[in-house]
Amino acid sequence: AQKVTQAQTEISVVEKEDVTLDCVYETRDTTYYLFWYKQPPSGELVFLIRRNSFDEQNEISGRYSWNFQKSTSSFNFTITASQVVDSAVYFCALSEPYLGGATNKLIFGTGTLLAVQP
Amino acid sequence: DTGVSQDPRHKITKRGQNVTFRCDPISEHNRLYWYRQTLGQGPEFLTYFQNEAQLEKSRLLSDRFSAERPKGSFSTLEIQRTEQGDSAMYLCASSLTDNEKLFFGSGTQLSVL
Repeated sequence: AQKVTQAQTEISVVEKEDVTLDCVYETRDTTYYLFWYKQPPSGELVFLIRRNSFDEQNEISGRYSWNFQKSTSSFNFTITASQVVDSAVYFCALSEPYLGGATNKLIFGTGTLLAVQP
Repeated sequence: DTGVSQDPRHKITKRGQNVTFRCDPISEHNRLYWYRQTLGQGPEFLTYFQNEAQLEKSRLLSDRFSAERPKGSFSTLEIQRTEQGDSAMYLCASSLTDNEKLFFGSGTQLSVL
């Protein structure tokens, strides 16, 4: 069965610190997609990144970077020089496999609450 | 692009009442999803539409839940005979194609007293 584990329930850092959010996933499929979403206090989930299982290149977008390692089934997210506006709940998600009818059904982890203190 | 909108934002109801939520996806998106999120948990998939066809339903969706998407535009999610366990945030999302990013609405927070 597919599963996403975010072992860190809450993380608190001081502004300008770097922080890494861990994500470990389980799947038997060779083709899958991994996602990160941000949920600020307003509640609306905001897409951050999508990565397919065949692309293990790390990605950097501004202060955000992602480290995808199939060997350890991990897809970790690092925020460099954190800011107060980064405070939110961050979710890692795994897409369920193609089942003869394409879906975008995501399995979410339980999320990590990041609090960035000024 | 006006985003995904959901109505109402909050709904308080008494146990046993019926409630209906509405979702308006991004206009050109033909995929529409309903998720449910309880406190401290990630969203859980409920159901999925491609245009007007409901292609998949989660086992979480009991017979008291029904969703429609007439004409492949907006969608409604109805819960009949609400129970306290139905209290949650109901999220709607849409996408243009499969395995693409989902655009989420702000959700409808349901409280069943």
